[in-house]
Amino acid sequence: DIQLTQSPSFLSASVGDRVTITCRASQGISSYLAWYQQKPGKAPKLLIYAASTLQSGVPSRFSGSGSGTEFTLTISSLQPEDFATYYCQQLNSYLYTFGQGTKLEIK
Amino acid sequence: EVQLVQSGAEVKKPGESLKISCKGSGYSFTSYWIGWVRQMPGKGLEWMGIIYPGDSDTRYSPSFQGQVTISADKSISTAYLQWSSLKASDTAMYYCARLFDLRIGFDPWGQGTLVTVSS
Repeated sequence: DIQLTQSPSFLSASVGDRVTITCRASQGISSYLAWYQQKPGKAPKLLIYAASTLQSGVPSRFSGSGSGTEFTLTISSLQPEDFATYYCQQLNSYLYTFGQGTKLEIK
Repeated sequence: EVQLVQSGAEVKKPGESLKISCKGSGYSFTSYWIGWVRQMPGKGLEWMGIIYPGDSDTRYSPSFQGQVTISADKSISTAYLQWSSLKASDTAMYYCARLFDLRIGFDPWGQGTLVTVSS
């Protein structure tokens, strides 16, 4: 099975900050990686797919990069509505594993 | 609008059976895989399995193989997740989601079904 490890698990930041979350795969997954945002009590929402393609309607302050085993999600200028938990997911194999999540909190 | 609507919250006793549902609308239900994802209280997302309603091809995560059954009734655009004998450890929120593409990801998601198993 392909394992995904996100870092950090918790992140405290302020409105306006630039933040980066990393997702590392236990083996190469090309660019078959998605990022989701989940707010408390809500279903996850697809933000980015194919490592760097923004899903329709997602603000441009979100960006993704990487390929192979290392990927990043960057939020260029945090807004109040961005405080949530973020998950990566690999789609290289049909065992669509998720990372353990990164909780982004207000400092 | 593409939408997945899940059945309501359930409270069950250990050993009981359960089948929850996920109804798709606004798109060709038989043309996209539907997946199920578990989220235990305070924990992360776990992918359980997927089904292609067009031909009922089903694939399970090894962690959930034999523990649950995923099915679909394409005549009513509905996918199902069922248990034959619930355990307390099955207490969780369960989400269905459309697999937009095998290599893209899940979008959209249903609103979730909370399953509580307690004696």
